[in-house]
Amino acid sequence: AQSVTQLDSQVPVFEEAPVELRCNYSSSVSVYLFWYVQYPNQGLQLLLKYLSGSTLVKGINGFEAEFNKSQTSFHLRKPSVHISDTAEYFCAVSGNTGNQFYFGTGTSLTVIP
Amino acid sequence: NAGVTQTPKFQVLKTGQSMTLQCAQDMNHNSMYWYRQDPGMGLRLIYYSASEGTTDKGEVPNGYNVSRLNKREFSLRLESAAPSQTSVYFCASSALDRYYNEQFFGPGTRLTVL
Repeated sequence: AQSVTQLDSQVPVFEEAPVELRCNYSSSVSVYLFWYVQYPNQGLQLLLKYLSGSTLVKGINGFEAEFNKSQTSFHLRKPSVHISDTAEYFCAVSGNTGNQFYFGTGTSLTVIP
Repeated sequence: NAGVTQTPKFQVLKTGQSMTLQCAQDMNHNSMYWYRQDPGMGLRLIYYSASEGTTDKGEVPNGYNVSRLNKREFSLRLESAAPSQTSVYFCASSALDRYYNEQFFGPGTRLTVL
């Protein structure tokens, strides 16, 4: 079975400061990892994904994430946040069948001016 | 391409009423999904359809039914709405023709059951 844990439900950060949103997963099989962003009153949009290869993955809007197999983590980072980054961020893990897609409970990022 | 579309965007029901949430995708994806989103609980899978003609239960199927009308459309029906079904509902689709399952989401339907 697979599961995803997002350790922080809320993360406030000042504008232009760096941020890290943490995600840990458990899985007995190979996994594919995703970060999605949800802006207020909108659907989910893919930020980035790890499928294989380089463990450092770059996504849209200056975000990046690093896959760490030994620590079963896939933390999301941005070196300098902007007000427009205020949103809910979801980590997700996928297998390769229809019902194998699990979301974490989300982290609400609030960027303070 | 419109991607994944959902109707309606908002709905208010009284307890016991029924309604159908509509979802359509124009990406020629094989698989479609219905999720509900509740505060502090992330997204939970209600039902999914791995391919046209098949449907399967997800994590929280009770109180819902689905129909995969054709490859494009996947509807979610609440036969007798309950206040516990107040939530935001998202439809998603994926190609599922590779070794991973990247999903594309619609804008959501905000449902309130009084």
